[in-house]
Amino acid sequence: GAVVSQHPSRVICKSGTSVKIECRSLDFQATTMFWYRQFPKQSLMLMATSNEGSKATYEQGVEKDKFLINHASLTLSTLTVTSAHPEDSSFYICSASLGHLEQYFGPGTRLTVT
Amino acid sequence: SQQGEEDPQALSIQEGENATMNCSYKTSINNLQWYRQNSGRGLVHLILIRSNEREKHSGRLRVTLDTSKKSSSLLITASRAADTASYFCATDGSERGNNRKLIWGLGTSLGVNP
Repeated sequence: GAVVSQHPSRVICKSGTSVKIECRSLDFQATTMFWYRQFPKQSLMLMATSNEGSKATYEQGVEKDKFLINHASLTLSTLTVTSAHPEDSSFYICSASLGHLEQYFGPGTRLTVT
Repeated sequence: SQQGEEDPQALSIQEGENATMNCSYKTSINNLQWYRQNSGRGLVHLILIRSNEREKHSGRLRVTLDTSKKSSSLLITASRAADTASYFCATDGSERGNNRKLIWGLGTSLGVNP
């Protein structure tokens, strides 16, 4: 089956620093990757949709200058949380799609900003 | 934005019993998908049902879709302790294209007691 990895799985950073999270599709080329945020015991909130080689489409209320998304290749997308604040602490999940109906999810990254 | 609502929000049953979760949505859809999430982990795709289908089976899973009521149900038969997880429905109402944005429900937390 399609496998998506995320790195790191957990990260702790200090306020004001930037953190980069990688999302890779390991055995397929993803035309589209999605970035989600999930708070404890809540559902997924779509942050942005990215296609390889083009700018990401951000959902309403998501600051594109704060959450930088780069989709440099068909197997790699990165999310950089810039100038992190404690309220950015969350579980970030990526998914990848072949352009068909299913999304394949990464295992998530737990970000803690101190 | 979230449009799906799962019911119940939490469900606790004994091993061997059946578990039924419901999902309602608001807009027209192309398909509805069910995903499972173990605590602190990524999501696993369980089953997809298209808007022109009424019922679908996969192992111990049975999904129904009633587009007139804009609702779906997920039945897990002969539950096991390993079925303990959160279950989310997600609807795909996007037009044909590569960006198949899913709209997520709030999830049902299922606990199966051994």
